Amino acid sequence: EAGVTQFPSHSVIEKGQTVTLRCDPISGHDNLYWYRRVMGKEIKFLLHFVKESKQDESGMPNNRFLAERTGGTYSTLKVQPAELEDSGVYFCASSQFGTVKYFGPGTRLTVL
Amino acid sequence: SQQGEEDPQALSIQEGENATMNCSYKTSINNLQWYRQNSGRGLVHLILIRSNEREKHSGRLRVTLDTSKKSSSLLITASRAADTASYFCATDLGGTSYGKLTFGQGTILTVHP
Repeated sequence: EAGVTQFPSHSVIEKGQTVTLRCDPISGHDNLYWYRRVMGKEIKFLLHFVKESKQDESGMPNNRFLAERTGGTYSTLKVQPAELEDSGVYFCASSQFGTVKYFGPGTRLTVL
Repeated sequence: SQQGEEDPQALSIQEGENATMNCSYKTSINNLQWYRQNSGRGLVHLILIRSNEREKHSGRLRVTLDTSKKSSSLLITASRAADTASYFCATDLGGTSYGKLTFGQGTILTVHP
């Protein structure tokens, strides 16, 4: 069984540019989560999809972040425009029943 | 302070020794989980303990949970160099927050061969 995959693994962009991160959950997992770890800080929840619906987006930092999950399969997280403080590692996770999480390898985002 | 706080922040031991990491949290939880992250890799789920459980084992891992003290510990016995990684506890509050994990800052474990 393939695990959670994320693309790209690394992204380096200039401040003000746009970046789109992609997450492919484990097939059949209705729950998809985005988390972020900013340098030196703890891993923080961003949002939770159940199928294509946003169940909880209380962790999204501001309206520069847009997450979508069209069709209830893969998800994208767009940051537009990117700021320096957006640098960090973005993790995606999926689960079938909502408790145990399978995490992807993360996307390391560097905003210069 | 964060929901999940871990100590020590860093732990350095010799192969064969045991490693103990602690996690404290502030609110009632549904379950507590431990994860491992190897450098540059994703988070790997190690073990989950529910609020009505006091101890769980999985291979060389032993997790305890004391809900009265709002604390948990992860014990890795007979450590190996391959256990070198960052370890995180994460709490799940359940209810309307079910599935939304709150992580601690982690413990960096280094096991010297």
